[in-house]
Amino acid sequence: ETGVTQSPTHLIKTRGQQVTLRCSSQSGHNTVSWYQQALGQGPQFIFQYYREEENGRGNFPPRFSGLQFPNYSSELNVNALELDDSALYLCASSLAMTGAHNEQFFGPGTRLTVL
Amino acid sequence: AQKVTQAQTEISVVEKEDVTLDCVYETRDTTYYLFWYKQPPSGELVFLIRRNSFDEQNEISGRYSWNFQKSTSSFNFTITASQVVDSAVYFCALSRMDTGRRALTFGSGTRLQVQP
Repeated sequence: ETGVTQSPTHLIKTRGQQVTLRCSSQSGHNTVSWYQQALGQGPQFIFQYYREEENGRGNFPPRFSGLQFPNYSSELNVNALELDDSALYLCASSLAMTGAHNEQFFGPGTRLTVL
Repeated sequence: AQKVTQAQTEISVVEKEDVTLDCVYETRDTTYYLFWYKQPPSGELVFLIRRNSFDEQNEISGRYSWNFQKSTSSFNFTITASQVVDSAVYFCALSRMDTGRRALTFGSGTRLQVQP
């Protein structure tokens, strides 16, 4: 069973640029969630995708957007990067179905630095 | 709104000591899930346990045990006979139980340092 993978591992961008982060979900999982973890803080929920549609969103501006593909992999796009976007971006996959528990399994994260 | 509070920012113990990490949560939901995750220096969050709100039985798994008390909205985590490998940041988290609305709300984490 393949776990959650994310790419790239590290990324350096400058303010105003755009970035795309990628996530492959664990085998058999149909839901992907993205979290932002600033240094020294807990992860903050950005949004969740289920069956290729956004299915919940946290308190993040529209310049944070995403996609989920038919194979359940996902992308997180951030436009007009700001210095405060520097963080560890975590992807988590889970199986969403009635009665199923909600263990979310996390990938290793992408460390984004905005200069 | 949901909220998780981990008041202990950092704890330092000597190997073989027992340590308890506190977690207090707030939610208006009557049913919900509670979780603990471990984040070692590598950065990946490792799932430790999930409890649902209608099961208040304490749970033990090896050196780990969890004490869920709905009356005080607490879900504390105890490591018995701590080891250096337990050094990590530990997060408590909360989610709704509705299908499709299960975003995790995390606390700010407790950094545990186990000294040899």
